[in-house]
Amino acid sequence: DVKVTQSSRYLVKRTGEKVFLECVQDMDHENMFWYRQDPGLGLRLIYFSYDVKMKEKGDIPEGYSVSREKKERFSLILESASTNQTSMYLCASSLGTGARGQFFGPGTRLTVL
Amino acid sequence: GIQVEQSPPDLILQEGANSTLRCNFSDSVNNLQWFHQNPWGQLINLFYIPSGTKQNGRLSATTVATERYSLLYISSSQTTDSGVYFCAVPGDSNYQLIWGAGTKLIIKP
Repeated sequence: DVKVTQSSRYLVKRTGEKVFLECVQDMDHENMFWYRQDPGLGLRLIYFSYDVKMKEKGDIPEGYSVSREKKERFSLILESASTNQTSMYLCASSLGTGARGQFFGPGTRLTVL
Repeated sequence: GIQVEQSPPDLILQEGANSTLRCNFSDSVNNLQWFHQNPWGQLINLFYIPSGTKQNGRLSATTVATERYSLLYISSSQTTDSGVYFCAVPGDSNYQLIWGAGTKLIIKP
């Protein structure tokens, strides 16, 4: 079974802090994704990566950056956290080209005070 | 871009009942996925079903691509089936998914 893990289940940070969310997958998938999920807005794609050191903006990249130095790890960075970034963050990975068969991590519920 | 609509938005059933969830999409697609998000937030990939019918235990899914809809059937519902069910189709970029708003299912004991 594909396993996607995220570094924290719950995280509380203060406004202005730099925040790192880590995601690791163990199935050698090429593609990795970061989403945020908010009530009434569904899942929105922040960034994705289709190869090491490659990244593409999703629908809502503002205020975020990402890093993919190794194939199995995809990091989401909030350079200066703000209260409107309080959300559930979900990481996913998939094999090959296209959006086929995305597998998700358990999510990180981030609260910015 | 493509639009994805799910119905009903909410569904409350007694344990043991059967249910049908629907996903309509506005343009032709080459794949469609169904996901279940449990009450703790974990999203599980249920089916990858571009066309035809697939079954996995009490769950089955049918996609009629020519008519632009997919159905998810849950038979003999259990309380563990509660959560939100999403369908998703590829967007303009081959790597992106367009998500429906979900159907929130509550199974009462």
